[in-house]
Amino acid sequence: DQQVKQNSPSLSVQEGRISILNCDYTNSMFDYFLWYKKYPAEGPTFLISISSIKDKNEDGRFTVFLNKSAKHLSLHIVPSQPGDSAVYFCAASAGSGNTGKLIFGQGTTLQVKP
Amino acid sequence: DVKVTQSSRYLVKRTGEKVFLECVQDMDHENMFWYRQDPGLGLRLIYFSYDVKMKEKGDIPEGYSVSREKKERFSLILESASTNQTSMYLCASRTGWYGYTFGSGTRLTVV
Repeated sequence: DQQVKQNSPSLSVQEGRISILNCDYTNSMFDYFLWYKKYPAEGPTFLISISSIKDKNEDGRFTVFLNKSAKHLSLHIVPSQPGDSAVYFCAASAGSGNTGKLIFGQGTTLQVKP
Repeated sequence: DVKVTQSSRYLVKRTGEKVFLECVQDMDHENMFWYRQDPGLGLRLIYFSYDVKMKEKGDIPEGYSVSREKKERFSLILESASTNQTSMYLCASRTGWYGYTFGSGTRLTVV
């Protein structure tokens, strides 16, 4: 059972426009959410995160929004740049505990066209 | 910066071979993880370890085992490689309360 879902496998946007990547989750115990970015032949790298006590977190061009009632989060990239072209993974954690286990979504491939 | 090193970037192995994937982190972290990445399936957790000699199964442990004899090293073992284990394997070390640092990955092809 997929607890974290990214229903859009791919997204294509024009340079300078906004990219919006979506993520849905089913487990109401998740209390922390992260976005990772992955280029081909490299490991994922951390991009931005949000705690469940917040509904928005911003870092430069990247903003993550959390809607707990809808169990939905989104990543906004404004303005999009060609270097943003990568696979983006949404991840969730149900309390850090001893293990800090993250559950990842399927990923969305973003292509930003010049 | 934390460094997580996976010993091989690309591997080609034959069906039935025993395969070892090695991962080393340099920051004395307790928690380490092995994931595999497949198109359309995202990152799926195979095994994780929260201390030396301690391990727990993830979501897809079948056909795999792990070894953690030293804190810095976490090995993934494919007991008898099969073609459906062809995948990108990613090791991660837990950094901070929630974050991971990933290695560069090992692309394994089983023929």
